[in-house]
Amino acid sequence: ELKVEQNPLFLSMQEGKNYTIYCNYSTTSDRLYWYRQDPGKSLESLFVLLSNGAVKQEGRLMASLDTKARLSTLHITAAVHDLSATYFCTPGGGYGNKLVFGAGTILRVKS
Amino acid sequence: ETGVTQSPTHLIKTRGQQVTLRCSSQSGHNTVSWYQQALGQGPQFIFQYYREEENGRGNFPPRFSGLQFPNYSSELNVNALELDDSALYLCASSLAGGQGNTIYFGEGSWLTVV
Repeated sequence: ELKVEQNPLFLSMQEGKNYTIYCNYSTTSDRLYWYRQDPGKSLESLFVLLSNGAVKQEGRLMASLDTKARLSTLHITAAVHDLSATYFCTPGGGYGNKLVFGAGTILRVKS
Repeated sequence: ETGVTQSPTHLIKTRGQQVTLRCSSQSGHNTVSWYQQALGQGPQFIFQYYREEENGRGNFPPRFSGLQFPNYSSELNVNALELDDSALYLCASSLAGGQGNTIYFGEGSWLTVV
């Protein structure tokens, strides 16, 4: 059974600082998704990582994937308040591409 | 804007009642998945539909059932509602076999069972 663990579960950081969220998963997967969720809202797609060594960047967020280590990271550069949200990683792939989510990481950026 | 629409957005039901939630998938997407997200938790996979057939099911009892229509839209039905069914229900739209890169979620339906 696929399990997903994110670290940390809660992250409080100052504006302007850098930090990394780690996502470990237990079984082989050929892709990894990152989503953002604002309170009371649905999931917004951030990144889809499709291969080992994939790196994608959008604004202050950069995601990477190491399929051999079953590890993905989401790096936050010079955090701003607007990045405050819950972030989920989820491996997908295979027929049907059903997603398994962990508990997510709650990010609070303090000004 | 993901092109995935869900209805209703909010509803309140009484324990024991039945509810139907609806989802229209993004144009061209033939696979619809449903997820339940309880407060403070990550989404949990309920089931998936592809070409009007159930294509995988999570750990949910049979009172959770669904349909997919020829236009790929879908319904989630929950019978004999329990208080623990209170949650955000999310519909996700994609292409079969992960051919499309992105899985898009609708805005969700908030269900409160009292």
